[in-house]
Amino acid sequence: EPEVTQTPSHQVTQMGQEVILRCVPISNHLYFYWYRQILGQKVEFLVSFYNNEISEKSEIFDDQFSVERPDGSNFTLKIRSTKLEDSAMYFCASSEVSDSDTQYFGPGTRLTVL
Amino acid sequence: QKEVEQNSGPLSVPEGAIASLNCTYSDRGSQSFFWYRQYSGKSPELIMFIYSNGDKEDGRFTAQLNKASQYVSLLIRDSQPSDSATYLCAVNGGTASKLTFGTGTRLQVTL
Repeated sequence: EPEVTQTPSHQVTQMGQEVILRCVPISNHLYFYWYRQILGQKVEFLVSFYNNEISEKSEIFDDQFSVERPDGSNFTLKIRSTKLEDSAMYFCASSEVSDSDTQYFGPGTRLTVL
Repeated sequence: QKEVEQNSGPLSVPEGAIASLNCTYSDRGSQSFFWYRQYSGKSPELIMFIYSNGDKEDGRFTAQLNKASQYVSLLIRDSQPSDSATYLCAVNGGTASKLTFGTGTRLQVTL
């Protein structure tokens, strides 16, 4: 069964460093998303992406964040200068256009900022 | 601010019983409703989706939607210890739009 994959599973970085989180969405899906979940809190939307541009972004997704689809398979989230409060699980999701409009989540990347 | 509300629990049910999980949402424009299961440290895993008023059944799971009351529920029949997890209610406002999640209800199925 097709699934969303994410790398790395765990990333440890120093405050102020740049990180890139990678995702490979399900191959026939056209919509891509990033969410994050701070430990013990709810899953929060960051950004959606379609046709090589951002469709929607949340207040969390400020100038420190960017997304890119550098090739036909990868979808990346870059945090330019990490802060302690960026420590969270980051989930990539993808969906196809259908009646269900279901988003399927990858396994997540645990980002720890020291 | 669009909100999705869930009782955080824990909801404790004995093995074999019916677990009933509830969710309310504030945005009347919400169109699709999802239940995800999340084990500790793992990602959300889709259980069911529903977008029409009424009931939708899939195996041991039944989702119920009442748009007039802005209420979604999930029933789990014959609960098993492996059902012990946090159940997340999520809604979206239309095709390919963002999901807004509730905080989740922690379910414990006891032997």
